[in-house]
Amino acid sequence: DSGVTQTPKHLITATGQRVTLRCSPRSGDLSVYWYQQSLDQGLQFLIHYYNGEERAKGNILERFSAQQFPDLHSELNLSSLELGDSALYFCASSVTSNWYQETQYFGPGTRLLVL
Amino acid sequence: ILNVEQSPQSLHVQEGDSTNFTCSFPSSNFYALHWYRWETAKSPEALFVMTLNGDEKKKGRISATLNTKEGYSYLYIKGSQPEDSATYLCAPSSASKIIFGSGTRLSIRP
Repeated sequence: DSGVTQTPKHLITATGQRVTLRCSPRSGDLSVYWYQQSLDQGLQFLIHYYNGEERAKGNILERFSAQQFPDLHSELNLSSLELGDSALYFCASSVTSNWYQETQYFGPGTRLLVL
Repeated sequence: ILNVEQSPQSLHVQEGDSTNFTCSFPSSNFYALHWYRWETAKSPEALFVMTLNGDEKKKGRISATLNTKEGYSYLYIKGSQPEDSATYLCAPSSASKIIFGSGTRLSIRP
């Protein structure tokens, strides 16, 4: 158990809908990262937040957005969902924003299925 | 950092044998190289973060080396055990992004 929690574990929804995935980082960690793992692609970095501020953006679609709240939990919002958005979404956390120096701890993931 | 290659894609090793695999990456804009171990139905677990050319890290029977000038890292597993069966991911990071390789899937035969 990494100490990172994600809810829900599973989510089934329909195309065109909007969902929110939630992540609570490990106690003391200020950085939150979101990743997408789909069948045809490897683990893709989406976005990084540090202490409430967006720090880096990866391959995140415009239909997706994220935020980190004052209590440091983060939410990833996925809208206008398409079949191709079906994937495993991971959240990870680390202590500082210096991801090049430190370990990221991954949560258990949220499996999203868009029908 | 655009292209990360891991080889081989998969590997079957006899229990007790030692093995190694490679991560290749462009050496420009490089900040660090992360190695993760990912077991089926679990989440990725960090093994090492390496930043300096010539870095060597060790954790039990697993070790890694880093060559930033030529853009590669090796992961070694000594005396493979069934619990080593997993996918091993490498991920070079720059100041603005981290890119994961597709991994080497390791299976240990008893």
